[in-house]
Amino acid sequence: DGGITQSPKYLFRKEGQNVTLSCEQNLNHDAMYWYRQDPGQGLRLIYYSQIVNDFQKGDIAEGYSVSREKKESFPLTVTSAQKNPTAFYLCASSILRGQPQHFGDGTRLSIL
Amino acid sequence: GQQLNQSPQSMFIQEGEDVSMNCTSSSIFNTWLWYKQDPGEGPVLLIALYKAGELTSNGRLTAQFGITRKDSFLNISASIPSDVGIYFCAGQGGGSEKLVFGKGTKLTVNP
Repeated sequence: DGGITQSPKYLFRKEGQNVTLSCEQNLNHDAMYWYRQDPGQGLRLIYYSQIVNDFQKGDIAEGYSVSREKKESFPLTVTSAQKNPTAFYLCASSILRGQPQHFGDGTRLSIL
Repeated sequence: GQQLNQSPQSMFIQEGEDVSMNCTSSSIFNTWLWYKQDPGEGPVLLIALYKAGELTSNGRLTAQFGITRKDSFLNISASIPSDVGIYFCAGQGGGSEKLVFGKGTKLTVNP
């Protein structure tokens, strides 16, 4: 079945550690996105990519990094510079930028 | 920046009742989207609206793109327990292709 797969479902980070969240899609979508969701809040855009080897900062990019080496994959690294990383992270994709986005099932990141 | 006001924040209703929620914006949007999110999962797209005045249905769900392009509403008719979740509106446009999300409406349906 086509879809967006995020892994792992739950992730724990130690202080000072970088962690990488995986996002893979087999929908042949050009655009991919990473959002952060905090309780009672809407989704906030971290990074997005319109095409392979290109990505742009969203509204809250500080402390995060991404890469887009393959069309299907858009991993997100939460670096030690992100002082408040505990959140639910959602990856999305769309056929083209500006088209409706479809979401994965998220990764919940917690601090040990 | 663009902001969306989504209301109500939460609703507690009896099974069988109709539900209405809405989003308003300070900016004009070209697209309005409605998503539903179940606990611990990602949002699922319910309805997409592309034209001012457009009224679109998806089963028991009906959504409208406001004439002013600054608002949208979602109605759910004859609610059932599986309608429980958080409903998000999202708008796109006004010179930006980013999606702007409302803070969600949490729906609880009592059997």
